[in-house]
Amino acid sequence: EIVLTQSPGTLSLSPGERATLSCRASQSISNTYIAWHQQKPGQAPRLLIYGASSRATGIPDRFSGSGSGTDFALTISSLEPEDFAVYYCQQFGSSPLTFGGGTKVEIK
Amino acid sequence: EVQLVESGGGVVQPGGSLRLSCEASGFTFDNFGIHWVRQAPGKGLEWVSLISGDGGATYYADSVKGRFTISRDNSKNSLYLHMNSLRTEDSAVYYCHMVEGYWGQGTLVTVSS
Repeated sequence: EIVLTQSPGTLSLSPGERATLSCRASQSISNTYIAWHQQKPGQAPRLLIYGASSRATGIPDRFSGSGSGTDFALTISSLEPEDFAVYYCQQFGSSPLTFGGGTKVEIK
Repeated sequence: EVQLVESGGGVVQPGGSLRLSCEASGFTFDNFGIHWVRQAPGKGLEWVSLISGDGGATYYADSVKGRFTISRDNSKNSLYLHMNSLRTEDSAVYYCHMVEGYWGQGTLVTVSS
């Protein structure tokens, strides 16, 4: 099973600041099989990024994904109030699909 | 528009059973494998089970193997999760999920005496 380790666990930032979230895999994964999801309290997760770097439909361009091999990142260039949420990376290139433990982006 | 709508959650005693359903629309149902993913209160996302598009292959997390059964009825565009011998640690919101990026709204299962 591929383990995904997200860091930091919590990121305390102010609106307008840049957020960089990390996701490290225990083995190399093809970019095709890396996704990022956003979850707000009481809601289902929502796809943000697929294929490591492609934005899903309707996702603002302040969200970007990068990385390859075992190291991936999600960057939010300038935080908007609605971006404070929990973010999960996911891999589905190796069975079982797995998720990282999540990074909570909170208002400082 | 792809939609996944779960139902069937509720409160059940330890050792009890429950069947969850996920009704799908907006895509060719039998072309896609579909997962169940759960989230315990205040915790992260945990994969539970996968079924292939034709229903011929099924996979389970070790934590539910032998207790849960995933199935689908392609004539009804529906996915199911039959849960037996439920434990308190099975309490969670259960989502149906497609790796193409789609999630249902979830259904809450509470196992409590």
